[in-house]
Amino acid sequence: GQQVMQIPQYQHVQEGEDFTTYCNSSTTLSNIQWYKQRPGGHPVFLIQLVKSGEVKKQKRLTFQFGEAKKNSSLHITATQTTDVGTYFCAGSTGGFKTIFGAGTRLFVKA
Amino acid sequence: GAVVSQHPSWVICKSGTSVKIECRSLDFQATTMFWYRQFPKQSLMLMATSNEGSKATYEQGVEKDKFLINHASLTLSTLTVTSAHPEDSSFYICSAFYGGELFFGEGSRLTVL
Repeated sequence: GQQVMQIPQYQHVQEGEDFTTYCNSSTTLSNIQWYKQRPGGHPVFLIQLVKSGEVKKQKRLTFQFGEAKKNSSLHITATQTTDVGTYFCAGSTGGFKTIFGAGTRLFVKA
Repeated sequence: GAVVSQHPSWVICKSGTSVKIECRSLDFQATTMFWYRQFPKQSLMLMATSNEGSKATYEQGVEKDKFLINHASLTLSTLTVTSAHPEDSSFYICSAFYGGELFFGEGSRLTVL
């Protein structure tokens, strides 16, 4: 079945350093979404990418969708302590069903 | 954005009892809702897709008789964990699509003693 792999599992950074998490799907995706989950909270939608090669930015966050629509990345520039949490990618091959990656837990040291 | 509300937010029950968790879309109609299970420090595992007016679609490995799902209306889906055991202790989260985004409920933390 469809699988979405995400790396790294954990990332410790010093405040101000950059951070990147990567997702790779075993199948071509119709879209990919990114979510952030704070400790003890529920996932919150960040963005959806639909087009091949798409790049979207939200302030310090940059999201990319690969040309083959099988991989994606989230890059945070100059991390802040408020960026702490787990970042999930979630892919869909069509329809409503969405499969989540394992998530990357980001720790930011002040 | 849309609001998905989940109740209860936490529940403790004895082994062998059944627990019902409600998921409501407060300001939109959701013909389809999703139930996820999340173990500590792990990802969200899709358990089933809840369909209004028809049977839920369960993912492979999820016991239908154990996790009963009822989508009674366009704004309410319920998950009942039947004859709960300690291994059923987990964080259960529901979600629904609105405007292309997947909105999550606050989650329900189940502890089975």
